Amino acid sequence: GQSLEQPSEVTAVEGAIVQINCTYQTSGFYGLSWYQQHDGGAPTFLSYNALDGLEETGRFSSFLSRSDSYGYLLLQELQMKDSASYFCAVRDHNNAGNMLTFGGGTRLMVKP
Amino acid sequence: NAGVTQTPKFQVLKTGQSMTLQCAQDMNHNSMYWYRQDPGMGLRLIYYSASEGTTDKGEVPNGYNVSRLNKREFSLRLESAAPSQTSVYFCASSEAVGLASYEQYFGPGTRLTVT
Repeated sequence: GQSLEQPSEVTAVEGAIVQINCTYQTSGFYGLSWYQQHDGGAPTFLSYNALDGLEETGRFSSFLSRSDSYGYLLLQELQMKDSASYFCAVRDHNNAGNMLTFGGGTRLMVKP
Repeated sequence: NAGVTQTPKFQVLKTGQSMTLQCAQDMNHNSMYWYRQDPGMGLRLIYYSASEGTTDKGEVPNGYNVSRLNKREFSLRLESAAPSQTSVYFCASSEAVGLASYEQYFGPGTRLTVT
């Protein structure tokens, strides 16, 4: 089976940089995804890493190290609207399709 | 395009009652999924359908059944609701293969309370 660990809560101030870590254990790893979810809303896709290294999309970047079974989401120039929960998810492929196993989520609180 | 739609948005059931949660997508995706999310937790996969005509169990399938009615629609049925099924239910869809398959699109969710 799969398991993912990420911190339950992180607090940072507006304008700062925050890193949310994710470690995973999986039998069949294809890639690591990150999703954002605001309170009362649906998860929305942020990024996907299949290969080692850093992927940058605007203020958000995501990193993967396959050898360490580790990844992180980096949020720069934090804004109040970034207050949300962030989930890492492992993509696992089996004969039937592509499934995601989600971590428990990290609640990010951005303070003025 | 509406993306992924779910009905109803809210539902209250008594223990033992049955209901069907509806989900539809207009993105021509082959794969569809049902998740549940309990307070303060991540999403857990209940069932998924890799393509029209196929369904498979996920991590927590007990107490649920699904139907992939056609390519657009994927319904989730609770035959005899229990308080432990109180949760928020999300439907999602994605491409089946290729680079686009790693991104899942989620519906707005159904908030279900079983008393």
